[in-house]
Amino acid sequence: GAVVSQHPSWVICKSGTSVKIECRSLDFQATTMFWYRQFPKQSLMLMATSNEGSKATYEQGVEKDKFLINHASLTLSTLTVTSAHPEDSSFYICSARDAPRAFFGQGTRLTVV
Amino acid sequence: GDSVTQMEGPVTLSEEACLTINCTYTATGYPSLFWYVQYPGEGLQLLLKATKADDKGSNKGFEATYRKETTSFHLEKGSVQVSDSAVYFCALSERDNEKLTFGTGTRLTIIP
Repeated sequence: GAVVSQHPSWVICKSGTSVKIECRSLDFQATTMFWYRQFPKQSLMLMATSNEGSKATYEQGVEKDKFLINHASLTLSTLTVTSAHPEDSSFYICSARDAPRAFFGQGTRLTVV
Repeated sequence: GDSVTQMEGPVTLSEEACLTINCTYTATGYPSLFWYVQYPGEGLQLLLKATKADDKGSNKGFEATYRKETTSFHLEKGSVQVSDSAVYFCALSERDNEKLTFGTGTRLTIIP
């Protein structure tokens, strides 16, 4: 089946720094990718929809300037958490569509200290 | 808005036991319903799906029936195996595999 690779799997960073998470579709082209965030014991919450070649669509309450999304090619979307703070610590998961199915990355555990 | 309420875990069962993980949903339209599974160290994988009322999704011995009257999509398996240990997520989308709304996930551990 289709494979979505997410990197890194985990990252620890200092407050105030920026962290970039990559999501790659390895064997298919994805015009649309989704970024989710999961807090402990809570649902995966959709943060934004990333569209190749255009601006991402953010869900209500998600700060565009804090969570920068770039989808420059059909196989790569990146999420950059800018000026990270401890409250940004979470599990981030990407998903890419190979219509009609969606495939998920392994997730990235971000810890901000 | 749409929401998914899922049985809280963790759930621990002995091998060959029967499994039911409850899932109910709230949606404005007629959503598609999904169960995703996340094995340790891996990404979420689609386990099964149903796109309309009374449809039954099945895969790997797991089944779930789309019950519109009770807005439910409970996951069942008659005899679980150690290899079924994973986190299971119930989810819905208003359009097939567009934005997904997830439940909180249920961690299932099967002991030999």
